[in-house]
This record gives sequence, C-alpha cells and structure tokens, in this order.
Amino acid sequence: GAVVSQHPSWVICKSGTSVKIECRSLDFQATTMFWYRQFPKQSLMLMATSNEGSKATYEQGVEKDKFLINHASLTLSTLTVTSAHPEDSSFYICSARGTGVWNTEAFFGQGTRLTVV
Amino acid sequence: AQSVTQPDIHITVSEGASLELRCNYSYGATPYLFWYVQSPGQGLQLLLKYLSGDTLVQGIKGFEAEFKRSQSSFNLRKPSVHWSDAAEYFCAVVGHNTDKLIFGTGTRLQVFP
Repeated sequence: GAVVSQHPSWVICKSGTSVKIECRSLDFQATTMFWYRQFPKQSLMLMATSNEGSKATYEQGVEKDKFLINHASLTLSTLTVTSAHPEDSSFYICSARGTGVWNTEAFFGQGTRLTVV
Repeated sequence: AQSVTQPDIHITVSEGASLELRCNYSYGATPYLFWYVQSPGQGLQLLLKYLSGDTLVQGIKGFEAEFKRSQSSFNLRKPSVHWSDAAEYFCAVVGHNTDKLIFGTGTRLQVFP
C-alpha cells in the first residue's frame, strides 16, 4: 500500500502557543486529505476534508480558526492548532486518498500525540 | 445519514480461538466497507475492504470479512487468533458519492495465552 508520513509523532507545547502537524504522501499524489481527532479509547472523529488547492471543509463543531488546514501541494497537508489549550490535547491522525488505484481507500499516517501543558 | 455500529466494545479470546467482530452499517445504498486495525499509539492499518463483487473478502494477517446486504453487516473473522492480534479494530464505511470515511466506535480485542 501507499505510505503516508505524519510528523511529528508526538509534541508537547505550552498553552497559548501554536503547533503544526505535517502529513505527507510519499509515493502517490494525495488529491484529498482528511484530518481526524481521536480521544483515548474512542473512535476517530473527522475534523475536516481538504482538497489540494482548495479551502478545507470542516465538520460541524470544528473551529476552523483554531484548526488551520493547508493543502498546498499534492503531497503535503498541514494542520496547525492555534493558541493551543490543554483541552486540545489529543491524538491527531491524517489520511490521504489519490486518484486511480489510489482512490479506493484512504491511507493513514502514524498519528501525532499532542499534549498541551 | 451514514453510520456504523460496532456492538462489542471489548472482546477477550484465548490464543488459537476463532474470532468474529461485528459491524453493522446504515446507508441508503451499498457503501464501500473497510476494516482497520490500530495498535496503541499508532495509525490505522487496512485489513481488508469490500468495494463490489464477491461478498467474502480476504485480507491480511489471515482475516476475512463477509458482506451481507440483507443484514447490513460486514463482520470480521479469523479462524485462529494470535497474541499479536490484540489491538483496536475499526469498521468504516464510505458512500459512493462522498469522500468521508465514517468509523464505528471500535472493538478492543484482548488475547489471552
């Protein structure tokens, strides 16, 4: 399968600062990328969907000004958590879909554990 | 709206025993169906998927799943569980006209030696 690399794997930041998480498709062009949030022992909740070159589409209840998503190229999407607070601490996972043979499933990154102190 | 139900939050089996994890979906038509596995602190790995055709699909690590339209189910099975299969398992669905992958709540599998 295709490889999606997410970086960093974990990050600790101070309350009030911003954190950027990168999601890269290494061997295919990701026309669509998805960002999920996962609380401990819970399922993945879709935060937003982004298509390359377009603004992200956020799910209901997700603050677009707090969770900035950029999908500037076919291999890179970023999620920036702005003015982070302890309640933003969570596991964030990205996934990517491409075209053609890369379209029938979403490929997931390894996830990023964010801890806000 | 689409939804996925995994009735079993936690399942415990002995190593070598058979396994079946249940998944039911709600959707107006036949969606694409997936099973993913997640180890602690890790991303998701695809076990198998159903897109069309044969309703019994084979996946990696000896897993299989059967799509039953009449029951709106896509249960995951493995004839003999290994200790390394202990993980969280997620069933997911995506509609034909949407990009969104909707996940079930997950089933945590514990394997005893």
